[in-house]
Amino acid sequence: AQSVAQPEDQVNVAEGNPLTVKCTYSVSGNPYLFWYVQYPNRGLQFLLKYITGDNLVKGSYGFEAEFNKSQTSFHLKKPSALVSDSALYFCAVRGGNSGGGADGLTFGKGTHLIIQP
Amino acid sequence: DSGVTQTPKHLITATGQRVTLRCSPRSGDLSVYWYQQSLDQGLQFLIHYYNGEERAKGNILERFSAQQFPDLHSELNLSSLELGDSALYFCASSVGVSSGGQETQYFGPGTRLLVL
Repeated sequence: AQSVAQPEDQVNVAEGNPLTVKCTYSVSGNPYLFWYVQYPNRGLQFLLKYITGDNLVKGSYGFEAEFNKSQTSFHLKKPSALVSDSALYFCAVRGGNSGGGADGLTFGKGTHLIIQP
Repeated sequence: DSGVTQTPKHLITATGQRVTLRCSPRSGDLSVYWYQQSLDQGLQFLIHYYNGEERAKGNILERFSAQQFPDLHSELNLSSLELGDSALYFCASSVGVSSGGQETQYFGPGTRLLVL
């Protein structure tokens, strides 16, 4: 079975500072990793994904994520936080062996990111 | 805007009732996924349809069922509703399972179900 852990329920960062939202995963086979963001009363918006290749993935709104196979981690990062980045962030995984690609995503519990002015 | 639409936005009903949630995928997408988001269980995958056929089941209750129609829209049917079924129900779409697990799923705005 595959799983995702987001160890922090909440991350507080001052505006302009770098931010990191942590994610670790467990999956059989090659992992496909995703980050989504959810604003209040809205659906999930796709930020970025790792499939293969370069371990540093760049995504929307200046976000990037670093894939680390040995630590089974996929942390989300941004060099300079904005107040508008405040939202709920979800890490998700899909294993390359999971149902031939038919299974849905397995999500972490989410991390509330709060950017303080 | 992801291009995925869901109706209705809100639904209030009583225990024991049956409801139908509707999802229209992005233009050209053949796969539709349904997810449930609740405070207790977080975001859980329910079921996946590809081009009209069921492809995978997740944590979907027997009281719940889904289908995908020839025009590729999908409906999630929830019956014998219980208080615990109150949740946000999302659908997501992607190009198609033939591309494997690499595909990005694009989510709709969700239907918020309240069972009283």
